[in-house]
Amino acid sequence: GAGVSQSPSNKVTEKGKDVELRCDPISGHTALYWYRQSLGQGLEFLIYFQGNSAPDKSGLPSDRFSAERTGGSVSTLTIQRTQQEDSAVYLCASSYWDRNTGELFFGEGSRLTVL
Amino acid sequence: AQSVTQLGSHVSVSEGALVLLRCNYSSSVPPYLFWYVQYPNQGLQLLLKYTSAATLVKGINGFEAEFKKSETSFHLTKPSAHMSDAAEYFCAVRMANAGKSTFGDGTTLTVKP
Repeated sequence: GAGVSQSPSNKVTEKGKDVELRCDPISGHTALYWYRQSLGQGLEFLIYFQGNSAPDKSGLPSDRFSAERTGGSVSTLTIQRTQQEDSAVYLCASSYWDRNTGELFFGEGSRLTVL
Repeated sequence: AQSVTQLGSHVSVSEGALVLLRCNYSSSVPPYLFWYVQYPNQGLQLLLKYTSAATLVKGINGFEAEFKKSETSFHLTKPSAHMSDAAEYFCAVRMANAGKSTFGDGTTLTVKP
Protein backbone atom coordinates (compact mmCIF):
# COMPACT_ATOMS: atom_id res chain seq x y z
CA GLY A 1 0.00 0.00 0.00
CA ALA A 2 0.93 3.63 -0.17
CA GLY A 3 1.18 4.25 3.55
CA VAL A 4 1.80 2.51 6.85
CA SER A 5 -1.06 0.17 7.62
CA GLN A 6 -2.02 -0.87 11.15
CA SER A 7 -4.56 -3.39 12.35
CA PRO A 8 -6.83 -3.60 14.15
CA SER A 9 -7.80 0.05 14.29
CA ASN A 10 -9.67 -0.58 17.52
CA LYS A 11 -9.31 -3.38 20.03
CA VAL A 12 -11.27 -3.85 23.24
CA THR A 13 -10.06 -6.61 25.51
CA GLU A 14 -10.44 -7.81 29.05
CA LYS A 15 -7.75 -7.45 31.65
CA GLY A 16 -5.41 -10.40 31.59
CA LYS A 17 -5.88 -11.29 27.92
CA ASP A 18 -3.10 -11.17 25.35
CA VAL A 19 -3.33 -8.88 22.31
CA GLU A 20 -1.44 -8.63 19.05
CA LEU A 21 -1.16 -5.44 17.03
CA ARG A 22 0.07 -5.54 13.46
CA CYS A 23 2.01 -3.03 11.39
CA ASP A 24 2.70 -3.16 7.67
CA PRO A 25 5.31 -0.51 6.80
CA ILE A 26 5.84 1.36 3.57
CA SER A 27 7.51 -0.86 1.01
CA GLY A 28 11.27 -0.28 0.94
CA HIS A 29 11.45 1.32 4.37
CA THR A 30 14.13 -0.40 6.38
CA ALA A 31 13.37 1.11 9.78
CA LEU A 32 10.22 0.43 11.80
CA TYR A 33 9.17 1.98 15.09
CA TRP A 34 6.48 1.46 17.70
CA TYR A 35 5.30 4.31 19.89
CA ARG A 36 2.53 4.55 22.47
CA GLN A 37 0.30 7.58 22.82
CA SER A 38 -1.72 7.78 26.02
CA LEU A 39 -4.55 10.25 26.56
CA GLY A 40 -3.13 13.73 27.02
CA GLN A 41 0.44 12.55 26.74
CA GLY A 42 3.12 12.66 24.14
CA LEU A 43 4.56 9.79 22.18
CA GLU A 44 6.40 7.20 24.23
CA PHE A 45 9.04 5.25 22.34
CA LEU A 46 8.69 1.48 22.66
CA ILE A 47 10.93 -0.33 20.18
CA TYR A 48 12.85 0.23 16.97
CA PHE A 49 13.93 -2.17 14.20
CA GLN A 50 16.56 -1.32 11.59
CA GLY A 51 17.34 -3.85 8.89
CA ASN A 52 18.99 -6.97 10.28
CA SER A 53 20.38 -5.23 13.36
CA ALA A 54 19.28 -6.18 16.85
CA PRO A 55 16.20 -4.14 17.77
CA ASP A 56 16.40 -1.29 20.26
CA LYS A 57 14.01 -2.49 22.97
CA SER A 58 14.92 0.18 25.49
CA GLY A 59 11.42 1.68 25.58
CA LEU A 60 9.41 -1.44 26.32
CA PRO A 61 7.73 -0.76 29.68
CA SER A 62 7.74 -4.33 30.98
CA ASP A 63 8.45 -7.92 29.96
CA ARG A 64 4.77 -8.28 29.06
CA PHE A 65 5.56 -6.31 25.91
CA SER A 66 7.38 -7.83 22.96
CA ALA A 67 7.66 -7.22 19.25
CA GLU A 68 9.01 -8.97 16.24
CA ARG A 69 9.56 -8.09 12.65
CA THR A 70 9.38 -10.87 10.14
CA GLY A 71 11.26 -10.78 6.85
CA GLY A 72 12.25 -7.18 7.40
CA SER A 73 8.71 -6.05 6.75
CA VAL A 74 5.58 -6.68 8.83
CA SER A 75 5.85 -6.22 12.58
CA THR A 76 3.69 -7.51 15.42
CA LEU A 77 3.56 -5.94 18.87
CA THR A 78 2.34 -8.38 21.51
CA ILE A 79 1.10 -7.42 24.94
CA GLN A 80 0.63 -10.31 27.32
CA ARG A 81 -1.67 -10.31 30.35
CA THR A 82 -2.99 -6.85 29.52
CA GLN A 83 -3.55 -4.32 32.29
CA GLN A 84 -5.81 -1.27 32.31
CA GLU A 85 -2.80 1.02 32.16
CA ASP A 86 -1.95 -0.51 28.77
CA SER A 87 -4.95 1.33 27.29
CA ALA A 88 -3.56 3.73 24.69
CA VAL A 89 -3.12 4.29 20.99
CA TYR A 90 -0.23 2.27 19.64
CA LEU A 91 1.43 3.97 16.69
CA CYS A 92 3.68 2.35 14.16
CA ALA A 93 6.01 4.33 11.93
CA SER A 94 8.50 3.47 9.25
CA SER A 95 11.30 5.31 7.56
CA TYR A 96 13.96 4.85 4.95
CA TRP A 97 17.25 4.72 6.78
CA ASP A 98 18.65 8.06 5.73
CA ARG A 99 21.42 9.56 7.81
CA ASN A 100 20.33 13.03 6.90
CA THR A 101 16.69 12.99 7.80
CA GLY A 102 15.07 9.82 9.10
CA GLU A 103 11.64 11.40 9.04
CA LEU A 104 8.94 9.05 10.19
CA PHE A 105 5.81 8.01 8.32
CA PHE A 106 3.06 7.04 10.73
CA GLY A 107 0.09 4.74 10.53
CA GLU A 108 -3.25 5.79 11.98
CA GLY A 109 -2.70 3.73 15.08
CA SER A 110 -4.37 0.89 16.93
CA ARG A 111 -6.53 2.05 19.82
CA LEU A 112 -6.38 -0.47 22.66
CA THR A 113 -8.92 -0.42 25.47
CA VAL A 114 -8.43 -2.79 28.37
CA LEU A 115 -11.53 -3.25 30.51
CA ALA B 1 20.54 11.94 26.21
CA GLN B 2 18.29 13.94 23.96
CA SER B 3 15.04 15.47 25.17
CA VAL B 4 12.38 17.85 23.94
CA THR B 5 10.26 20.33 25.85
CA GLN B 6 7.17 21.90 24.36
CA LEU B 7 6.07 24.92 26.35
CA GLY B 8 2.31 25.09 26.63
CA SER B 9 0.16 22.01 26.24
CA HIS B 10 -2.68 24.14 24.87
CA VAL B 11 -2.50 27.25 22.72
CA SER B 12 -5.53 29.18 21.56
CA VAL B 13 -5.46 31.87 18.88
CA SER B 14 -8.02 33.76 16.84
CA GLU B 15 -8.36 33.10 13.15
CA GLY B 16 -5.89 35.33 11.31
CA ALA B 17 -3.61 35.76 14.32
CA LEU B 18 0.01 34.69 14.61
CA VAL B 19 0.66 31.11 15.66
CA LEU B 20 3.71 30.44 17.84
CA LEU B 21 4.36 26.99 19.24
CA ARG B 22 7.50 26.63 21.33
CA CYS B 23 10.00 23.79 21.33
CA ASN B 24 13.32 23.54 23.14
CA TYR B 25 15.69 20.62 22.88
CA SER B 26 18.49 19.28 24.95
CA SER B 27 21.40 17.53 23.31
CA SER B 28 25.17 17.74 23.29
CA VAL B 29 25.42 18.38 19.56
CA PRO B 30 22.98 19.95 17.12
CA PRO B 31 20.41 17.29 16.30
CA TYR B 32 17.90 16.84 13.54
CA LEU B 33 14.61 18.47 14.49
CA PHE B 34 11.10 17.86 13.28
CA TRP B 35 7.57 19.16 13.69
CA TYR B 36 4.73 16.73 13.15
CA VAL B 37 1.02 17.51 13.07
CA GLN B 38 -1.83 15.23 14.08
CA TYR B 39 -5.29 16.20 12.89
CA PRO B 40 -8.27 14.73 14.75
CA ASN B 41 -8.61 10.99 14.24
CA GLN B 42 -5.59 10.85 11.95
CA GLY B 43 -2.00 9.70 12.19
CA LEU B 44 0.95 12.05 12.55
CA GLN B 45 2.39 13.63 9.43
CA LEU B 46 5.56 15.62 8.91
CA LEU B 47 5.14 19.38 8.86
CA LEU B 48 8.80 20.37 8.44
CA LYS B 49 12.32 19.32 9.40
CA TYR B 50 15.72 20.82 10.15
CA THR B 51 18.72 18.83 8.96
CA SER B 52 21.61 21.30 9.34
CA ALA B 53 21.10 23.10 6.06
CA ALA B 54 19.18 26.39 6.31
CA THR B 55 18.27 27.47 9.84
CA LEU B 56 14.90 28.82 8.69
CA VAL B 57 12.81 25.93 7.48
CA LYS B 58 9.57 26.23 5.56
CA GLY B 59 6.97 23.51 5.72
CA ILE B 60 3.52 22.73 4.49
CA ASN B 61 0.43 24.87 5.01
CA GLY B 62 2.41 28.09 5.54
CA PHE B 63 4.26 26.96 8.66
CA GLU B 64 7.93 27.64 9.27
CA ALA B 65 10.42 27.11 12.06
CA GLU B 66 13.79 28.61 12.90
CA PHE B 67 16.65 26.65 14.42
CA LYS B 68 18.48 28.75 17.01
CA LYS B 69 21.49 26.93 18.38
CA SER B 70 22.24 29.59 21.01
CA GLU B 71 18.75 29.18 22.45
CA THR B 72 18.44 25.42 21.72
CA SER B 73 15.06 26.22 20.24
CA PHE B 74 13.04 25.25 17.20
CA HIS B 75 9.81 27.23 17.52
CA LEU B 76 7.02 26.79 14.99
CA THR B 77 5.26 29.82 13.55
CA LYS B 78 2.58 30.75 11.05
CA PRO B 79 1.72 34.40 10.32
CA SER B 80 -2.03 33.92 10.05
CA ALA B 81 -3.97 31.07 11.63
CA HIS B 82 -6.69 29.26 9.76
CA MET B 83 -9.48 27.19 11.25
CA SER B 84 -8.04 24.12 9.53
CA ASP B 85 -4.82 24.50 11.56
CA ALA B 86 -6.58 23.20 14.67
CA ALA B 87 -4.66 20.06 15.56
CA GLU B 88 -2.03 18.66 17.89
CA TYR B 89 1.57 19.53 17.11
CA PHE B 90 4.59 17.52 18.17
CA CYS B 91 8.22 18.55 18.17
CA ALA B 92 10.76 15.73 17.81
CA VAL B 93 14.53 15.39 17.95
CA ARG B 94 16.86 12.78 16.54
CA MET B 95 20.62 12.61 16.79
CA ALA B 96 22.63 12.06 13.61
CA ASN B 97 23.15 8.37 12.92
CA ALA B 98 20.80 7.50 15.76
CA GLY B 99 17.72 5.40 15.43
CA LYS B 100 14.86 6.64 17.51
CA SER B 101 13.23 10.04 17.55
CA THR B 102 12.25 11.56 20.89
CA PHE B 103 8.97 13.46 20.94
CA GLY B 104 7.68 16.28 23.09
CA ASP B 105 4.37 16.01 24.91
CA GLY B 106 2.54 17.88 22.17
CA THR B 107 0.70 21.20 21.95
CA THR B 108 -2.97 21.34 21.08
CA LEU B 109 -3.74 24.34 18.90
CA THR B 110 -7.27 25.75 18.99
CA VAL B 111 -8.31 28.38 16.44
CA LYS B 112 -11.24 30.58 17.38
CA PRO B 113 -13.43 32.20 14.72
